[in-house]
Amino acid sequence: DGGITQSPKYLFRKEGQNVTLSCEQNLNHDAMYWYRQDPGQGLRLIYYSQIVNDFQKGDIAEGYSVSREKKESFPLTVTSAQKNPTAFYLCASSIPLAGFTDTQYFGPGTRLTVL
Amino acid sequence: KNQVEQSPQSLIILEGKNCTLQCNYTVSPFSNLRWYKQDTGRGPVSLTIMTFSENTKSNGRYTATLDADTKQSSLHITASQLSDSASYICVVRGASGTYKYIFGTGTRLKVLA
Repeated sequence: DGGITQSPKYLFRKEGQNVTLSCEQNLNHDAMYWYRQDPGQGLRLIYYSQIVNDFQKGDIAEGYSVSREKKESFPLTVTSAQKNPTAFYLCASSIPLAGFTDTQYFGPGTRLTVL
Repeated sequence: KNQVEQSPQSLIILEGKNCTLQCNYTVSPFSNLRWYKQDTGRGPVSLTIMTFSENTKSNGRYTATLDADTKQSSLHITASQLSDSASYICVVRGASGTYKYIFGTGTRLKVLA
């Protein structure tokens, strides 16, 4: 999985709870991303970060929050404001400004289920 | 609207046979196109990446082609193996300067013994 770890692999949440998904990389990549994957849909971007202490909203940021205090870490918090959080969450990293051949490396994913 | 469409949605083939997956995109301007393999419950793994100036790229039994004029790409799998059973995702990156990757919905391939 390219030096990116995600934990936990499975996560169960009760309605009204906030939960945090972990993403760590040892590839020395500057850019990190969070995606959500639902059946029958392409990956959708939640948040991305190009450098430490900076991050940008993606297409479906509502109900999610992130932080980027360290280069290696990009945790995602799923808040109670996210109405349909059950999904497979994927973290990725890449080297930005690497010409036209930058490649995203993905973690193994976290499957979140709301009970 | 920038879109990536893949076909077929699913495919079943016998072990040892060849198959071709299709990807059509409307992303413009275009930077690169990549194919990923995703096993069930795992993260995607990159197979090939092509820029707008490349027509073909191989990775073992996987060969990707790109026609930037018609905005079409294909992934050809030769002599399929049971381990090829997975989803194959086409991803296009725009050249607008933002970190925008457009993902297709994938083709789910099942290889039978």
